[in-house]
Amino acid sequence: GESVGLHLPTLSVQEGDNSIINCAYSNSASDYFIWYKQESGKGPQFIIDIRSNMDKRQGQRVTVLLNKTVKHLSLQIAATQPGDSAVYFCAENHNFNKFYFGSGTKLNVKP
Amino acid sequence: NAGVMQNPRHLVRRRGQEARLRCSPMKGHSHVYWYRQLPEEGLKFMVYLQKENIIDESGMPKERFSAEFPKEGPSILRIQQVVRGDSAAYFCASSPPGFSGGETQYFGPGTRLLVL
Repeated sequence: GESVGLHLPTLSVQEGDNSIINCAYSNSASDYFIWYKQESGKGPQFIIDIRSNMDKRQGQRVTVLLNKTVKHLSLQIAATQPGDSAVYFCAENHNFNKFYFGSGTKLNVKP
Repeated sequence: NAGVMQNPRHLVRRRGQEARLRCSPMKGHSHVYWYRQLPEEGLKFMVYLQKENIIDESGMPKERFSAEFPKEGPSILRIQQVVRGDSAAYFCASSPPGFSGGETQYFGPGTRLLVL
């Protein structure tokens, strides 16, 4: 099966700094990727997605970068805020009906 | 427009009992997905259903687990003869017909199952 994993289990940043969360995936056939945010006691919340024909996509304060050569995905959060504290998951998808999730990175934002 | 609803939010069962988890998709959504999440891990796909049809159950354990999405009413994930290893958070997600991206797939708050 597919394998999606993250390099860093916990990331602590100062409020106002930029955060970078990384993700590696193993299935080269995956053509669609999503970053989710999960707060304690809640379900995952969609943040941003990217399709495999792109290498960068920007949203509000977030940017996703995709490097298909090394099968690597990253999420950049600009000007990190305390409300960004959560667990972040990358997920891959290649047939639009199910997603394979990584193990997550916990982001701690220090005030 | 209410989001995806799951109930109960917390469920405690003793080994050998049955657990029934319910998921009401968002209005207008006819696709339902179930995922399981163990502590400190990501979500693992279990099953994908449309009304009255199981589309993909490749993530479902072969025994004791079943899912349905009837024409009327919520989707049900049923776990028979629960064991301690079934303790996890179970999340449901729904999406409208014609998948168009992750932004149209919404997750519920989850049911936390604890097997004693």
